[in-house]
Amino acid sequence: GAGVSQSPSNKVTEKGKDVELRCDPISGHTALYWYRQSLGQGLEFLIYFQGNSAPDKSGLPSDRFSAERTGGSVSTLTIQRTQQEDSAVYLCASSLPAGVNNEQFFGPGTRLTVL
Amino acid sequence: QKEVEQDPGPLSVPEGAIVSLNCTYSNSAFQYFMWYRQYSRKGPELLMYTYSSGNKEDGRFTAQVDKSSKYISLFIRDSQPSDSATYLCAMNSGGSNYKLTFGKGTLLTVNP
Repeated sequence: GAGVSQSPSNKVTEKGKDVELRCDPISGHTALYWYRQSLGQGLEFLIYFQGNSAPDKSGLPSDRFSAERTGGSVSTLTIQRTQQEDSAVYLCASSLPAGVNNEQFFGPGTRLTVL
Repeated sequence: QKEVEQDPGPLSVPEGAIVSLNCTYSNSAFQYFMWYRQYSRKGPELLMYTYSSGNKEDGRFTAQVDKSSKYISLFIRDSQPSDSATYLCAMNSGGSNYKLTFGKGTLLTVNP
C-alpha cells in the first residue's frame, strides 16, 4: 500500500490483559516511530527504530510497554497488564532516515480502550 | 512551561474566511516546523513542512515561521467546510533529533 497501515483499528480489552498493536510502514522508509495520543494530552513520542540500530525507547511510559521491529519493516507495540490509563490512540509513523528528511507520515492509528 | 503551546480552540469560522492558526515554542534549537491536519478518528496528515524562518505557500495554505519570536503560523485562505479538522503544529531540531514535539492541536470548524 501507499501509506502507513495499522491494525487493529480498534481494540477493546479488559484491565490486566496484554495487547499487541501492529504497524506496516511505507515501503522504503527505514525509520519508524510510535506515538500515543491521549484525550487532552496531544501526541507524545514513545519509541523510535532506525534500521538495525538500537531503538530509542526513551518515551515508553513504563516497563509494561515494549516494541519490536522485525526485518526492518513491520513493528509491533505490546502493552502488558493493561491499565485504564493506557486508553488512547496509538499512532505509528515512518520516514526516510532521520537526518535525511524529517517528514514523518502517520498511519490511521489504533484506538485502545481498556475497561 | 510546555515546550510547544497551541490554543486548542475551538475555532469556528464561516466558509470563505481567512483562518490563522498559531503555535509558540520555547526551545530555540527547533529548526523544522510542520503542520498536520487530523480529521476525526483519522491519523495526522502532513500538510506543510518548513525549515527555519520564512514563509512557505502551498495552494490555499501558507506556513510562516518567526524564529526570533519563537512563533509559527498557518494561514488558510478561502476556507472550506472540508478544512474542518484539528490542526497540529509539530517541530524538532532535526539531524539526529527525530522526536517530534507537538502542540495539543486546534479544532477548526468551517461553517457552510
